[in-house]
Amino acid sequence: GAVVSQHPSWVICKSGTSVKIECRSLDFQATTMFWYRQFPKQSLMLMATSNEGSKATYEQGVEKDKFLINHASLTLSTLTVTSAHPEDSSFYICSAVRRAPRTFYEQYFGPGTRLTVT
Amino acid sequence: GQQLNQSPQSMFIQEGEDVSMNCTSSSIFNTWLWYKQEPGEGPVLLIALYKAGELTSNGRLTAQFGITRKDSFLNISASIPSDVGIYFCAGPHAGGTSYGKLTFGQGTILTVHP
Repeated sequence: GAVVSQHPSWVICKSGTSVKIECRSLDFQATTMFWYRQFPKQSLMLMATSNEGSKATYEQGVEKDKFLINHASLTLSTLTVTSAHPEDSSFYICSAVRRAPRTFYEQYFGPGTRLTVT
Repeated sequence: GQQLNQSPQSMFIQEGEDVSMNCTSSSIFNTWLWYKQEPGEGPVLLIALYKAGELTSNGRLTAQFGITRKDSFLNISASIPSDVGIYFCAGPHAGGTSYGKLTFGQGTILTVHP
C-alpha cells in the first residue's frame, strides 16, 4: 500500500505556456500533500503544502501566482506552472501524508515529473 | 530554521563493502527517516525511527536514532550494485505539526562498483 502516482512523468513545453502536473494517492486518502522541486544531485526543496479543501501554503521565495496548487480531493493535488520559463525546468516531486498509528509523518513520494521548458 | 547536515556527500565503494552515513542537527528531532532515491525516481522510505536509542533493521540496512536525538546513522552491509542512489535523512519540522512537513539532509550519493 501507500502508492503515489504523478502524471505526466516528463513534459516538454514552450516558454510562456502553462503545464499541469497531477499527484494522486492511489490506495489511501491524503489530506495533505507536498510539492518539491529538485535539481540534479541536490536535495529536495519544499515548494508548498497542499491541503484538501483549503489554500496551499507556500514556502518563502516560492511565487504562488506562478505555481498554482489545487487539492481538489483527498486523493488528488495538482501543480500548475504558469507562464513557464527555461529556469522553471526541473524535477518536480509530490508526496502524500498517510496517517498511521504511531506517527503522523509517513510521507510517500510520487515518481516525479521532469519538466523541460524550451 | 532547522538544518540537517548529512555526511559524507558522496561515496564510491566496491561491491561487498559496508557503508556508513550519518545525519546531525543542532535541533532535537523526535522522528528520523531515511529515504533512498534512484535516478529519475521519487524517494522511497527505507527506515523510520521514533525513539531515542532505537536501532532498526530492514534487510541489509540498519539505522539508529541517536540518544541525544540530534543525530542518526544508516549502515548498509555487503553493498550490491542496486544500492546505488542518493540517500536522504529527514525529520519533521519544529513545532510537531501533524501534517508531516519534513526537513531533508543534503543527501549522500552512493556509487557501488561491481
